[in-house]
Amino acid sequence: DAKTTQPTSMDCAEGRAANLPCNHSTISGNEYVYWYRQIHSQGPQYIIHGLKNNETNEMASLIITEDRKSSTLILPHATLRDTAVYYCIVRVRSGSRLTFGEGTQLTVNP
Amino acid sequence: DSGVTQTPKHLITATGQRVTLRCSPRSGDLSVYWYQQSLDQGLQFLIQYYNGEERAKGNILERFSAQQFPDLHSELNLSSLELGDSALYFCASSVLEQETQYFGPGTRLLVL
Repeated sequence: DAKTTQPTSMDCAEGRAANLPCNHSTISGNEYVYWYRQIHSQGPQYIIHGLKNNETNEMASLIITEDRKSSTLILPHATLRDTAVYYCIVRVRSGSRLTFGEGTQLTVNP
Repeated sequence: DSGVTQTPKHLITATGQRVTLRCSPRSGDLSVYWYQQSLDQGLQFLIQYYNGEERAKGNILERFSAQQFPDLHSELNLSSLELGDSALYFCASSVLEQETQYFGPGTRLLVL
């Protein structure tokens, strides 16, 4: 699975959009971009995933660049409950394991 | 709530002991995965089962073993426990192997 690079930490004001970047310059054509988050030692929570098109669900939007070498997770209106470590994971769809990196600690401030 | 359940929530035991962690996947999910999260290693994949059969192994120690039963629940057995085995152990499940994994709340193991 391709390696990902994320900033160690980010801050966001409550009510504003949180944009979390991820670089995955060695991504292969059959690899998907997955985002999970972990709120203080709870089980990782699935957020969204995509291959090459932008995706949106009730939690977030995923923007993948045309060359697929980077992506951005967007939380449109961050709340204090969105404070968590966010993991960007690149995974072959048929693969079994998820390979977690260090992730980005997002802190939403009041 | 992901629909994946894990028991117990907390476990405190002594070095050298053996423990069993239990995971019930979401209804309809055939694949179960085990992950370990320790302070110094982060979240690491241990092992995967699909419909009762072992499918993939990660960084799982020989002292650790797992199985998936006909009702699809899974157990992770940790034996000859060491201080360094203290960690959060998460179970995840997915409908099929290539589908999205959903995680349980975890079991926090403390080895004294």
